[in-house]
Amino acid sequence: NAGVTQTPKFQVLKTGQSMTLQCAQDMNHNSMYWYRQDPGMGLRLIYYSASEGTTDKGEVPNGYNVSRLNKREFSLRLESAAPSQTSVYFCASSETMGYTFGSGTRLTVV
Amino acid sequence: GQQLNQSPQSMFIQEGEDVSMNCTSSSIFNTWLWYKQDPGEGPVLLIALYKAGELTSNGRLTAQFGITRKDSFLNISASIPSDVGIYFCAGRNYGGSQGNLIFGKGTKLSVKP
Repeated sequence: NAGVTQTPKFQVLKTGQSMTLQCAQDMNHNSMYWYRQDPGMGLRLIYYSASEGTTDKGEVPNGYNVSRLNKREFSLRLESAAPSQTSVYFCASSETMGYTFGSGTRLTVV
Repeated sequence: GQQLNQSPQSMFIQEGEDVSMNCTSSSIFNTWLWYKQDPGEGPVLLIALYKAGELTSNGRLTAQFGITRKDSFLNISASIPSDVGIYFCAGRNYGGSQGNLIFGKGTKLSVKP
């Protein structure tokens, strides 16, 4: 049982490049989330999807887009990466109570 | 929006010491959760609390849901080196528009052998 799987684990982008972070869960959870984690800032919600077919903005959505491809998969896209988007990105899923997190994608934008 | 104040921000303690950390909120929560994040990994759920006044243990960890529903505490007894990591509190209010978890900024724990 893999839980929440994120790819890639590490990525370096040049300013202006685009990329998509992938997330998949095998727990049949309805809700999925994307967070970013920066030193001293904790976990900040970027976007979430309460159920298949729906997505909503979180606390820091600017510069990002998401797609809930199906119940299992929730991707995060950076259309034009900026140095301010250098961060560790976590995907999570939940059904009722606590969230299950992936192991993260460490993204550096130079 | 809702915010959680988690303290302390960091702790540097001797192995064997007890640890206490807490979270406070200006809003009422219906659920409090405590997570631990090991270096290079995602947060993992430690303890979940669902009722005001509830006291729950998980091994050497004990957490309490405050009576006012605006705070929660996590205690770690007899710390060991593998307790190192970042501890996050999280609260959820089902009366809100989303019911999503709100996270504190974390307490970074370092343990000296």
